[in-house]
Amino acid sequence: KNQVEQSPQSLIILEGKNCTLQCNYTVSPFSNLRWYKQDTGRGPVSLTIMTFSENTKSNGRYTATLDADTKQSSLHITASQLSDSASYICVVLTGFQKLVFGTGTRLLVSP
Amino acid sequence: NAGVTQTPKFQVLKTGQSMTLQCAQDMNHNSMYWYRQDPGMGLRLIYYSASEGTTDKGEVPNGYNVSRLNKREFSLRLESAAPSQTSVYFCASTPSRVNTEAFFGQGTRLTVV
Repeated sequence: KNQVEQSPQSLIILEGKNCTLQCNYTVSPFSNLRWYKQDTGRGPVSLTIMTFSENTKSNGRYTATLDADTKQSSLHITASQLSDSASYICVVLTGFQKLVFGTGTRLLVSP
Repeated sequence: NAGVTQTPKFQVLKTGQSMTLQCAQDMNHNSMYWYRQDPGMGLRLIYYSASEGTTDKGEVPNGYNVSRLNKREFSLRLESAAPSQTSVYFCASTPSRVNTEAFFGQGTRLTVV
């Protein structure tokens, strides 16, 4: 069964600190992996898309990594800001064009 | 540049009532989707439309119907709402079924009492 698991479920950090969110997936066949940011009361917004051959991809203060061998991805947020408070969702696209969503990590950045 | 627009944003229904959730995109995308998001679960696909004139079932289609009215609009209908359909509904669009960069609407929070 295709699954995407994220950890931790929730996280509180102080403004200015770094954090790393984890994503493990069991999806076959694999096409690509995405990270989305979902603000409260809003729809998800894409942060990065990573293909099988990409190990690292950055988008400003967000850096995603992908290890296709271990089927793990991480999202590292540097110098967190209050506006980073949101849910972060890991999504894997299967080779059959199906998106498999994780349940998300809820991040709260505290002043 | 509105992107994907959903209406309404909030709705309360009584069990057995019907309603239609509206979705429109202005990006000339071919494919459109309806998802539901429930606490502790990832987004689940209800129905999708790969292109104008076609619709297909997703993971959780029971209790729903859809209409791809034209290339821009994709509506989701609940014929007889049930409490189990209390959820947040998201419409999304992608340029095609192959190019799957997804853009989401703001969501509709539906409560069935």
